[in-house]
Amino acid sequence: DAKTTQPPSMDCAEGRAANLPCNHSTISGNEYVYWYRQIHSQGPQYIIHGLKNNETNEMASLIITEDRKSSTLILPHATLRDTAVYYCIVRDPWYNNNDMRFGAGTRLTVKP
Amino acid sequence: DVKVTQSSRYLVKRTGEKVFLECVQDMDHENMFWYRQDPGLGLRLIYFSYDVKMKEKGDIPEGYSVSREKKERFSLILESASTNQTSMYLCASGGLEADTQYFGPGTRLTVL
Repeated sequence: DAKTTQPPSMDCAEGRAANLPCNHSTISGNEYVYWYRQIHSQGPQYIIHGLKNNETNEMASLIITEDRKSSTLILPHATLRDTAVYYCIVRDPWYNNNDMRFGAGTRLTVKP
Repeated sequence: DVKVTQSSRYLVKRTGEKVFLECVQDMDHENMFWYRQDPGLGLRLIYFSYDVKMKEKGDIPEGYSVSREKKERFSLILESASTNQTSMYLCASGGLEADTQYFGPGTRLTVL
């Protein structure tokens, strides 16, 4: 699976958009980009995933560059409850070993 | 909404005890997973199952076993708990859509 690079921490003002970047320059053609977040002492929460096209759901938007070497998760109107560690994972879902490999992630702090 | 539930949020056991951790999902997912999460080590896959009565070893299966008698239920068993099994245990289930995995709330196990 391709490796990802994320900034270790970011701050965002409440009500503003939070843009979380992820680099995955070695991504291969079959690999998807997944985003999860984990609030302290809870299980990881699925946010969104994509292959090539930009994706949007009720939680967030995922923007994937045309060369697929990086992506950005956008929380359009961050709230205090969005404070969490955000993980970007790149993975081929049909590869033999099916686990999710979480890196260190980005610790997002939303401030009032 | 996908729901993955785990039998306990917190558990304290003594060394040598047999420990059962239960996980139930309500999405009719084929795949289910058990991970442990430790500070600085990220998520590590213990076992996974892609069908009833089927199981596959993950990265760290030693000291653990699993059981999947029904599609919705996946149990993790610590045959003889040891202090180095003190950890957060996370169950996940995965569907066919890019094998997106949904996690339970976690069980924080302390072995004394």
